[in-house]
Amino acid sequence: DAKTTQPPSMDCAEGRAANLPCNHSTISGNEYVYWYRQIHSQGPQYIIHGLKNNETNEMASLIITEDRKSSTLILPHATLRDTAVYYCIVRVGSNTGKLIFGQGTTLQVKP
Amino acid sequence: KAGVTQTPRYLIKTRGQQVTLSCSPISGHRSVSWYQQTPGQGLQFLFEYFSETQRNKGNFPGRFSGRQFSNSRSEMNVSTLELGDSALYLCASSRGLGETQYFGPGTRLLVL
Repeated sequence: DAKTTQPPSMDCAEGRAANLPCNHSTISGNEYVYWYRQIHSQGPQYIIHGLKNNETNEMASLIITEDRKSSTLILPHATLRDTAVYYCIVRVGSNTGKLIFGQGTTLQVKP
Repeated sequence: KAGVTQTPRYLIKTRGQQVTLSCSPISGHRSVSWYQQTPGQGLQFLFEYFSETQRNKGNFPGRFSGRQFSNSRSEMNVSTLELGDSALYLCASSRGLGETQYFGPGTRLLVL
């Protein structure tokens, strides 16, 4: 079973920041939080991952709470092309790439 | 650098047949994982290969099998196809075990 909980859907206005929350209250100390997104019928696209510290790359920022029980993915300036299903995943184990996907959050960016 | 490639992209089979799907990982990546995506079950892990050895297996029947070659390319096979095997089959590669996975576009299989 997935170790994360996400809202099923969210809306965001184009040009505004999209903040996608994720709860992972049972996360262990060495487990990473990964974010992927999937645009309809395409393969999931890697966005960002983190362990304890906040992370930023060209696509997004990842904010992880100090107790590591939740995180937020931030898309700073959402565009219509950011409309997708966003998956928050806790990768279980350090010697495997196995990802357990939940249902994700469907983000709808509106003009 | 080229991404993960999967062939074929679309496939139609009938019940009882078998099918082989192919995955070429990103150059330099040695680990390949396979996933099945259906509307009802979502994305589910099938198996993971590294250095031609299966390292992890998901909860799927023995009809689902795979292998990895010395050049890291991978194939998965589904025998005695059932209607419920209709799905998007996704391959992901990573440099090594436990590293970030990058997905291919998938193979969409329709079983009639």
